[in-house]
Amino acid sequence: AQSVSQHNHHVILSEAASLELGCNYSYGGTVNLFWYVQYPGQHLQLLLKYFSGDPLVKGIKGFEAEFIKSKFSFNLRKPSVQWSDTAEYFCAVSNNNDMRFGAGTRLTVKP
Amino acid sequence: NAGVTQTPKFQVLKTGQSMTLQCAQDMNHEYMSWYRQDPGMGLRLIHYSVGAGITDQGEVPNGYNVSRSTTEDFPLRLLSAAPSQTSVYFCASSYGLADTQYFGPGTRLTVL
Repeated sequence: AQSVSQHNHHVILSEAASLELGCNYSYGGTVNLFWYVQYPGQHLQLLLKYFSGDPLVKGIKGFEAEFIKSKFSFNLRKPSVQWSDTAEYFCAVSNNNDMRFGAGTRLTVKP
Repeated sequence: NAGVTQTPKFQVLKTGQSMTLQCAQDMNHEYMSWYRQDPGMGLRLIHYSVGAGITDQGEVPNGYNVSRSTTEDFPLRLLSAAPSQTSVYFCASSYGLADTQYFGPGTRLTVL
């Protein structure tokens, strides 16, 4: 079974700092890759996704992620975080038969 | 468009009780799924359905039943609640398993 690893459980940053959240997966076949975000008190929503094509994908609110097939990675980045980015971030990987989520990374941005 | 709705938002059960968590979507999605979210473990797939009348097990199906009589509704039944089922439950829908999931607001369940 495929698995998804998110290396950082809790990240604390000051506003304007740069962000990179790691995501690695174990499945070797063709996959679709997602980052979801859960703001405090809200349900999960899609941040960005990669199905094919340009491995650098851009999402909402200035987030982007890069798919590196050789490293089985799909890291999330943002050049300058804001207090409103405080949330929990989940990486997810799917193929035709399965969908797996990582354990999540809680991001706290200090004003 | 209400999207994905779930009821109730909160529920407290005693061990051994049964209950049904409701989920409905109005986006005409064929695929619906139930996840549980536990601290440090992310979301884990309980059951899913690829269309009315078709359901299958996910990663953690034990203790839960589902049915899909219509495209819109996908209830999750706890047959005999156990403290290990204390969790936040999310329903989601999508065009397919590999596609973007649209999540409901969640149900926080506590089993005493």
